[in-house]
Order: sequence, then C-alpha cells, then structure tokens
Amino acid sequence: NAGVTQTPKFRVLKTGQSMTLLCAQDMNHEYMYWYRQDPGMGLRLIHYSVGEGTTAKGEVPDGYNVSRLKKQNFLLGLESAAPSQTSVYFCASRSAGTRHEQYFGPGTRLTVT
Amino acid sequence: GENVEQHPSTLSVQEGDSAVIKCTYSDSASNYFPWYKQELGKRPQLIIDIRSNVGEKKDQRIAVTLNKTAKHFSLHITETQPEDSAVYFCAASPNTGFQKLVFGTGTRLLVSP
Repeated sequence: NAGVTQTPKFRVLKTGQSMTLLCAQDMNHEYMYWYRQDPGMGLRLIHYSVGEGTTAKGEVPDGYNVSRLKKQNFLLGLESAAPSQTSVYFCASRSAGTRHEQYFGPGTRLTVT
Repeated sequence: GENVEQHPSTLSVQEGDSAVIKCTYSDSASNYFPWYKQELGKRPQLIIDIRSNVGEKKDQRIAVTLNKTAKHFSLHITETQPEDSAVYFCAASPNTGFQKLVFGTGTRLLVSP
C-alpha cells in the first residue's frame, strides 16, 4: 500500500517549456487535490477533483490544467512554465466519507529558470 | 472566499514548555478545522481536527479549541519535545461538503532541549 505517490520528485524547466506532474493513489479515494507550497504562503489549492472525470478550480488555478481520467490518477499540467511557478507541488487525496483527512504525497520540487 | 490567518509565524520554546498557535477564519459557514504538521522536507500530516459542533478536542499532549462566535481556533501542545519541532498549518473547510481546505500560512515551532 504505497498511499499517495508523485512523479517526478524534482524537475528543472526553462521558461516556456511544458510538463505534466503525475499523482497516483491506491486508497480508492474519491477526492484528489493539487497544492503549491511557497515560503511564507502555506499551502494553496490549485485544482481539485471530487470524482473521475470531474475537476474544479481552487485558489490559484491560472497557468495550470488538470485531468482525472482514472480514479486513481490526477495529472497537473503546465503548458508554458513561468519562473513564478517555481514551487513545491503537493498532491493529496481523501475519501468521500465522514473522515476528512487529506493524505499528502511526498511533493515535487519544480524550478523554472 | 474563506481567509485563514495564523499566528505566530515562528515560535521558540524550551523542552517541557507549552506552545500555543492561533488561527482566525473569516467564513462563518466553515465547519471543519484540521491541523497538519510538516517536518523538514516531508509531507504534511494530520495531527488533530475539530468540527464546528465541538468546542475542544484532546489527543494526548495536543488539543484544539474552537470559538465559533469569535471565529478562531487554537492548537495547544503541552510538555513539548524536540521532535515536536516542525511547521504547523491550520486550515478551515469553507463549504458544507468538506471538499476543500483553506490553509493558514504556517507556524515554525522550534523546541530547544
């Protein structure tokens, strides 16, 4: 039982390049989330999904797209990376039941030069 | 939308002392308030949570109190130990479905031996 995993762990991009971050969970959770973490700003929600095939915008969605084609996977895409997207990205998941705990992945450190 | 403010940003205590971290929220409809602990280089993990129909909850050395009228909640850690050193985040769930969390900006707690 791996929990929540993220690929890759580290990545360096040049401005304008694109990439996709993959989040996978094996807990059969309905809800999945993408956050970014910047110094002094806590965790900010980018996009989230409450089920396969559904996505919704969070607090800071601009410059990102997401897809949830399979229940266990949640992809975060950067179409044209900018230095302002340098951050640590965390994926999380939780069940739709009465327990609201979000389980986080190990994070992806992204640097855009 | 919901706004969560967290204070202090840093807190230094001696081993054995108590530590208190405070958060305020803006949306009176918020009804779920978790606290996450993030050790250096690790993922955030839930340590305790409270729902709006409860005023206080305890789990060994940690406790959370909620004042709905004043819209603030606090984390209390007693008999602090060096392994309590970490960044602590409060959060509030601004919708009735508990689907999203809005996080505070974090408190770095340092416990000195």
